[in-house]
Amino acid sequence: QKEVEQNSGPLSVPEGAIASLNCTYSDRGSQSFFWYRQYSGKSPELIMSIYSNGDKEDGRFTAQLNKASQYVSLLIRDSQPSDSATYLCAVTRTGFQKLVFGTGTRLLVSP
Amino acid sequence: EAQVTQNPRYLITVTGKKLTVTCSQNMNHEYMSWYRQDPGLGLRQIYYSMNVEVTDKGDVPEGYKVSRKEKRNFPLILESPSPNQTSLYFCASSLQGEKLFFGSGTQLSVL
Repeated sequence: QKEVEQNSGPLSVPEGAIASLNCTYSDRGSQSFFWYRQYSGKSPELIMSIYSNGDKEDGRFTAQLNKASQYVSLLIRDSQPSDSATYLCAVTRTGFQKLVFGTGTRLLVSP
Repeated sequence: EAQVTQNPRYLITVTGKKLTVTCSQNMNHEYMSWYRQDPGLGLRQIYYSMNVEVTDKGDVPEGYKVSRKEKRNFPLILESPSPNQTSLYFCASSLQGEKLFFGSGTQLSVL
């Protein structure tokens, strides 16, 4: 079982729709959760972090965390073609301040 | 401008020829790390450093060396590169190992 699992996609949504990206993790002691966005040929950049159960909103982005289900999600409202990228879920390991990344979900937003 | 600088951006070499990829950050971050990114495998950690003279293995350290003699620099050394080390490499830094800032990447091809 992978430590952090994501559907590789691609996830295709029309412009203006809500894109929902999902991630599950295996280490029940994980405490910090992140979403990074990576455009093709570029380096990852942090877009959201979440540490406690529930929702966290930042502009068009909402991160959701459910520790009981070991599940993290990212919602992108009013999706734009510029949101087309690979989204990487990252989770800290118990007892270590270092991240483990999922393989990413490719999002395609069509005009 | 706050940044993580990697060099070179592209590198083609032959099996067994020692090489060094440099990484420097200007944010006074204590934590630095090297990742490799391969299709279908995602970002995997090679080595990390919590501070000067403190380094530790990540998930895929075989065939790599690092050093942290100064806070700002964290070079990655391949003493005898092999074709299975052909990959996209990223250096990253952060204050405490969680919210990472990535360099622009080094595409390495070992022939």
